[in-house]
Amino acid sequence: GAGVSQTPSNKVTEKGKYVELRCDPISGHTALYWYRQSLGQGPEFLIYFQGTGAADDSGLPNDRFFAVRPEGSVSTLKIQRTERGDSAVYLCASSLDPGGTQYFGPGTRLLVL
Amino acid sequence: DAKTTQPTSMDCAEGRAANLPCNHSTISGNEYVYWYRQIHSQGPQYIIHGLKNNETNEMASLIITEDRKSSTLILPHATLRDTAVYYCIFRKNYKLSFGAGTTVTVRA
Repeated sequence: GAGVSQTPSNKVTEKGKYVELRCDPISGHTALYWYRQSLGQGPEFLIYFQGTGAADDSGLPNDRFFAVRPEGSVSTLKIQRTERGDSAVYLCASSLDPGGTQYFGPGTRLLVL
Repeated sequence: DAKTTQPTSMDCAEGRAANLPCNHSTISGNEYVYWYRQIHSQGPQYIIHGLKNNETNEMASLIITEDRKSSTLILPHATLRDTAVYYCIFRKNYKLSFGAGTTVTVRA
């Protein structure tokens, strides 16, 4: 079946701009996660959704970052006033339930110039 | 958070078994050991996980010591396509805590 998909695959933007990154989880998966991976490092947890609600957003670095999942399926990660330090690969994962195995998408490579 | 320790890198020969060690001396009783790998420019790929018992699936085997302080991932017949960064990580509740992983290079 289809895996987790993320769009766009690459995004180049200018410092100060707003960006939206989209994640389509595996159909039927109730839990959705966002991670961020900087060059040469492992992924770092950002936020976790159970259904429509953000159950844990403790990994979001600051208030420029926000994520939504209005219908309990697709999620959008939103970054306001982007900074060069936001450049990274943003990964989305989903699991059937909160305790289940997480399956990752291919990521969105964000470059802030 | 509990941490894992893995070798930075290792080489293995194509067709041979690859044994990837991981130390997790601070693991607590309800934390699972998960293994993922990441091939260049792709998202992490789930391999296998376990709590106490050894596990095997179509990709690999996971051997966990009785005291749970270390584990070994075994790729039975490594191929060139197994070249990747391999992460040994804890899962407590829903969070995965990735370290730097082991860069495994399979050589012909």
